[in-house]
Amino acid sequence: GQQVMQIPQYQHVQEGEDFTTYCNSSTTLSNIQWYKQRPGGHPVFLIQLVKSGEVKKQKRLTFQFGEAKKNSSLHITATQTTDVGTYFCAGVGSARQLTFGSGTQLTVLP
Amino acid sequence: GAGVSQSPRYKVAKRGQDVALRCDPISGHVSLFWYQQALGQGPEFLTYFQNEAQLDKSGLPSDRFFAERPEGSVSTLKIQRTQQEDSAVYLCASSLTVLAGGGRTYNEQFFGPGTRLTVL
Repeated sequence: GQQVMQIPQYQHVQEGEDFTTYCNSSTTLSNIQWYKQRPGGHPVFLIQLVKSGEVKKQKRLTFQFGEAKKNSSLHITATQTTDVGTYFCAGVGSARQLTFGSGTQLTVLP
Repeated sequence: GAGVSQSPRYKVAKRGQDVALRCDPISGHVSLFWYQQALGQGPEFLTYFQNEAQLDKSGLPSDRFFAERPEGSVSTLKIQRTQQEDSAVYLCASSLTVLAGGGRTYNEQFFGPGTRLTVL
């Protein structure tokens, strides 16, 4: 079945540093979504990427979808303490269901 | 309501007990999903409803797991004869429909706060 892998599992950064998480799928995806889950909270939708090579920005967050539609990345510029949480990618494949990665837990040290 | 709600928020069960977890989706949302999230892991798909029809139950780990959505709104996930490995957070999510944009994009899912199940 479809597998989505995410690295790193944990990332500690000083406030103001940049952060990147990477997502790789075992199969070609039709879409990829990104969610953020705050400690003790539930996943909240951030964005969806559909096209090969697509890049989208949300303020300090930059999302990229690979040319082969099998990988994606999320880059945060100049992290803030409000960025703390776990970031999940979730791929949509042929099964028409979301397959979540294992997430990257981001800690931002003040 | 304003969002997806789930009850109870916490459930402690003795091994072998049956449990029922409830999900109230956003009003008007056709699609409803159940996920299981183990500690430190991403949500894992369990099952999916479109209105009252259960279209995909491929993620249910065993026949002890059963889900229903009889009137196309509220859904219940039932776990019979709970085992320790069933301990996890059970998340419910809803979306307007599964697909949008002429079938080219997948709608965002709105998650509830989850039910944390602990089986002793």
